[in-house]
Amino acid sequence: NAGVMQNPRHLVRRRGQEARLRCSPMKGHSHVYWYRQLPEEGLKFMVYLQKENIIDESGMPKERFSAEFPKEGPSILRIQQVVRGDSAAYFCASSPPGLAGPTDTQYFGPGTRLTVL
Amino acid sequence: AQRVTQPEKLLSVFKGAPVELKCNYSYSGSPELFWYVQYSRQRLQLLLRHISRESIKGFTADLNKGETSFHLKKPFAQEEDSAMYYCALGTDKLIFGTGTRLQVFP
Repeated sequence: NAGVMQNPRHLVRRRGQEARLRCSPMKGHSHVYWYRQLPEEGLKFMVYLQKENIIDESGMPKERFSAEFPKEGPSILRIQQVVRGDSAAYFCASSPPGLAGPTDTQYFGPGTRLTVL
Repeated sequence: AQRVTQPEKLLSVFKGAPVELKCNYSYSGSPELFWYVQYSRQRLQLLLRHISRESIKGFTADLNKGETSFHLKKPFAQEEDSAMYYCALGTDKLIFGTGTRLQVFP
């Protein structure tokens, strides 16, 4: 089991461009979580998804950010019209199916470091 | 408000010394608490959770509801314990503290 995969590992965008971050959960996992880490800060919850459903997006900025976890393929975090403040490390995690959801053990990917020029 | 506080950014000790990484939480319900660890060039991974009440790599953590704390302890630190440690509160999401970097010197 390769673990949670994220790509790209590093992404550079100019202001106004779009950023697409991908996350493939561990095999058999049906819960996906996205977190953002700004320099010198902890991980901040953004969104919790199950296949084809957004369960909790309370941590997502209201504009420019969206996330999906389609029936087939990886989960995508999309940031439109990026600004310098979007520069951060974005982590994805997954957990097995079950009622525990976020309080089950979460398995983290290596992260994508987004730099906005 | 739901919050996790780790007051120390950096904790430096010598090998063999006791270690205590502090964590306080704010939550009105029944908390689930976790310690996650990130070793150099590795992914964030679960170290332990209070519900399992086990010792992992010599670390233990006791939930103190009166003091709303979940401090991580190890009686004798090893160099390989050097890492970033994050305390997390599980509600309908995981809420992380800002982390404490533990440095264990030989």
